[in-house]
Amino acid sequence: KAGVTQTPRYLIKTRGQQVTLSCSPISGHRSVSWYQQTPGQGLQFLFEYFSETQRNKGNFPGRFSGRQFSNSRSEMNVSTLELGDSALYLCASRPLAGYYNEQFFGPGTRLTVL
Amino acid sequence: DAKTTQPPSMDCAEGRAANLPCNHSTISGNEYVYWYRQIHSQGPQYIIHGLKNNETNEMASLIITEDRKSSTLILPHATLRDTAVYYCIVKGGESEGAQKLVFGQGTRLTINP
Repeated sequence: KAGVTQTPRYLIKTRGQQVTLSCSPISGHRSVSWYQQTPGQGLQFLFEYFSETQRNKGNFPGRFSGRQFSNSRSEMNVSTLELGDSALYLCASRPLAGYYNEQFFGPGTRLTVL
Repeated sequence: DAKTTQPPSMDCAEGRAANLPCNHSTISGNEYVYWYRQIHSQGPQYIIHGLKNNETNEMASLIITEDRKSSTLILPHATLRDTAVYYCIVKGGESEGAQKLVFGQGTRLTINP
C-alpha cells in the first residue's frame, strides 16, 4: 500500500503570498490531520478532517485553513504568509475503525517564507 | 490529555538495548500511552501504544508501571538507524473524528557505533 504523499516537498514563498499544500492519505483512510513543525515550537496540531468536515482544530490563526475532498485527499492553505510560517508541514492519515489507531505521517512539505 | 516528561537526550551503543523513560503522572484511566519517533527530516513514525499491560511488537516493547504513572520504551537491539527523536504521548479516546497528537520535545536518542 502506498504511504501518505504530500506535494510539493519543498516550497519557497515571499511574505504576503498565499500557499496551498496537498496531502493524499493512504488508500482507505478517511481522516487527515495536519501538523506544523518548527524548531522553536516543535510539532503542533493544526486541524483534522474527515468526511469533508473539520472535526478538530488547533490554536492557529484564521490564516490557516484546510479542506477535504470526497476522495479523502486534503489541502491546507495559508494566506498572507509571515516569516514565522516557515516550517515543515506534515500530514497524517488514519482509518476510522476505532478510537485508538495510529496515525501515518507523510514526508512533509518544507515551506520557506522569505 | 496528560502531560509527559522525557529526558532531552540519551546515548546508547549499537547492539545494546535502548531504554527510553517517560513520566506521565497525571494520566487518567482511559488514556493510552503512545510512542512515535522521528528520524531527521522525515515524518513521525508510529512505534507502539498501550493502556496498562506491557506490549510488544516487531519494533519495540512498552513497559507501563502498575500505577501507570510512567512507562519505558525498549528497543531491544539498537541499530544506527534507530537514531531519532522519540516522542511519548498520552492520549485519550476522544470522539472518533476528533483526535490529535500533542507532541512534547521528545528524547533525542543517539546510537553510537
